[in-house]
Amino acid sequence: EPEVTQTPSHQVTQMGQEVILRCVPISNHLYFYWYRQILGQKVEFLVSFYNNEISEKSEIFDDQFSVERPDGSNFTLKIRSTKLEDSAMYFCASSGQWAGELFFGEGSRLTVL
Amino acid sequence: AQSVTQLGSHVSVSEGALVLLRCNYSSSVPPYLFWYVQYPNQGLQLLLKYTSAATLVKGINGFEAEFKKSETSFHLTKPSAHMSDAAEYFCAVILQGAQKLVFGQGTRLTINP
Repeated sequence: EPEVTQTPSHQVTQMGQEVILRCVPISNHLYFYWYRQILGQKVEFLVSFYNNEISEKSEIFDDQFSVERPDGSNFTLKIRSTKLEDSAMYFCASSGQWAGELFFGEGSRLTVL
Repeated sequence: AQSVTQLGSHVSVSEGALVLLRCNYSSSVPPYLFWYVQYPNQGLQLLLKYTSAATLVKGINGFEAEFKKSETSFHLTKPSAHMSDAAEYFCAVILQGAQKLVFGQGTRLTINP
C-alpha cells in the first residue's frame, strides 16, 4: 500500500539553526501539506502546495518557513532559524484530489534546545 | 472562519460499550467533515468523511458518523468498543473551495477491559 514517508523521525537542534524536514508523498498525488502538532495541542495547518506553488498558508508559516518540491518526488519543509517554540511533531500529507483523503506520514519530531 | 469543537478531551468506555465522540462545526456554508484517528507514535489515518452525499457515513473499523445540519454536529459512534480502538480521534473540516483541513482539539479514547 502506498504511503507517505518522512525523514528524519526525530531531530534535535540548537536554537537558531536551520532544519530541513523531508517528505516523500504518494507518487501520483497532486496536493501536498505540512501540519504540526505541539505536544498536547491540536494538529495545526501550516501550508498547502499545489501545481508547484503554495496555495494556502497559515499565520504560523512566516518568513522563517519555506517549502520546496525540488525533484518531483520529495517535498521539504525548511525552517531557517529555529526557535524554541518550533519544537513539535511535523506531519507531511498528500492527497490525490481536492478534499480527498489526506494521507499522513508518521511525522518528524523536532526538538529545539 | 470554519472550525470544529470536540467536546471532551478524554473519553473512557468499557470494552463492548458504545463509543460516542462529539464534534460540532461552525461554518456559514455546508462543509466537508472528516474523522481521523491517530494511534500512538503514528500519523493520522482517515476513518470516514462526509462530502454532502448521505448524512450517515460509514467508515473503517466499524465506526460511523451522522451529519446533522440542524445541530451542526458530526458525532462519531461505534456500537461496541474494542481494545484496539484506544487512540486519539480528530474531527476536521474543510470548506468547499478551500485548501486547508482544520482540526479539532482531539479526543483521547481509552478502553477499559
